[in-house]
Amino acid sequence: DTAVSQTPKYLVTQMGNDKSIKCEQNLGHDTMYWYKQDSKKFLKIMFSYNNKELIINETVPNRFSPKSPDKAHLNLHINSLELGDSAVYFCASSPLGPGTEAFFGQGTRLTVV
Amino acid sequence: SQQGEEDPQALSIQEGENATMNCSYKTSINNLQWYRQNSGRGLVHLILIRSNEREKHSGRLRVTLDTSKKSSSLLITASRAADTASYFCATGASGGSNYKLTFGKGTLLTVNP
Repeated sequence: DTAVSQTPKYLVTQMGNDKSIKCEQNLGHDTMYWYKQDSKKFLKIMFSYNNKELIINETVPNRFSPKSPDKAHLNLHINSLELGDSAVYFCASSPLGPGTEAFFGQGTRLTVV
Repeated sequence: SQQGEEDPQALSIQEGENATMNCSYKTSINNLQWYRQNSGRGLVHLILIRSNEREKHSGRLRVTLDTSKKSSSLLITASRAADTASYFCATGASGGSNYKLTFGKGTLLTVNP
């Protein structure tokens, strides 16, 4: 059973399109995150949710909108995609709250052409 | 701003040798964690050390933490080819805007058979 699952694994799209990445965790964790990993492998937090409530929004353009319909799901919607959005996006969750051990999904490689 | 900085950026060793990676950080932390990322995969949590701990062991892993120097080291003993991966340190903090995990840039470890 996959603990943190993201779909799709790969996403290739044109500039200007809108796309969504879905994330689900079956671990019963209250805290979920979205991270962006750039081409140099630098991981930067984008959003953090605790029990469906947004607690961190790290200066991410408002073209990125997270949605948490319940505490097991945290989806990421991106409007008007730009070339610079190309990266690997990771969803993660933590059992003991933000800043504690995190369990990561396999990542979604987004390529904007 | 980035919290953790790993050193070295890349490390190549022979199977059976020990590998040491270092991490420095800038602000107060609750804990420091190490993660492994195999190529094209998500991050896997290896070990967490709390700010009031100085050393921790898990199998072939040994982590030290020096809060006065704001630094940590990860030692992998008797390395194997399967240890080839990128290793990231992440600092965990709680409260206010620091309620998150902040990652360094990683060390790429190559273990040659």
